[in-house]
Amino acid sequence: NAGVMQNPRHLVRRRGQEARLRCSPMKGHSHVYWYRQLPEEGLKFMVYLQKENIIDESGMPKERFSAEFPKEGPSILRIQQVVRGDSAAYFCASSPQGLVMNTGELFFGEGSRLTVL
Amino acid sequence: GQSLEQPSEVTAVEGAIVQINCTYQTSGFYGLSWYQQHDGGAPTFLSYNGLDGLEETGRFSSFLSRSDSYGYLLLQELQMKDSASYFCAVRDERGNYQLIWGAGTKLIIKP
Repeated sequence: NAGVMQNPRHLVRRRGQEARLRCSPMKGHSHVYWYRQLPEEGLKFMVYLQKENIIDESGMPKERFSAEFPKEGPSILRIQQVVRGDSAAYFCASSPQGLVMNTGELFFGEGSRLTVL
Repeated sequence: GQSLEQPSEVTAVEGAIVQINCTYQTSGFYGLSWYQQHDGGAPTFLSYNGLDGLEETGRFSSFLSRSDSYGYLLLQELQMKDSASYFCAVRDERGNYQLIWGAGTKLIIKP
């Protein structure tokens, strides 16, 4: 049973380009969360999605950032017109149910490290 | 505001016991979780406390005191592979889907 799969693991973009980060949740998981982590810091919540629905995107900047979790295929975090401040590790996590239904355990992928030149 | 405080770094000796503390200030509280992260890799779940007291899982134990807004992670019989960053995270009033994370404690283990 494969874990949470994220790709690419490393992505380099120039300022103004677009970055697309993909996340396939664990089999049987329908809840996906995206987090951002800067060096020496904890994870910051960005967005929570269920299949075809964005449940909460309060942690995501309103401009340039978008996320989706289509009926078929992986969840996508899209960053348009990247700037140097977008350089970070972006982690995807999944759970079989919402956190309120369990112990708060999330299953994380290995992350995608975005570097903006 | 919402915040979790934990030491930035702790050093211990192989075979010893170490305690990593976490104090929190959040809007509501639905439980305290601990995660381990090796070298910026995938965070992995260690334990969860929803009620006061001690939870034990092998060499790791976690404690919670809701009245003190405080918890700790206790690691026993330290092994070199335990060198990692440890994060506490709280489910707050939005507990259905959000975790508020501390900045992490880097555990350095010396032989």
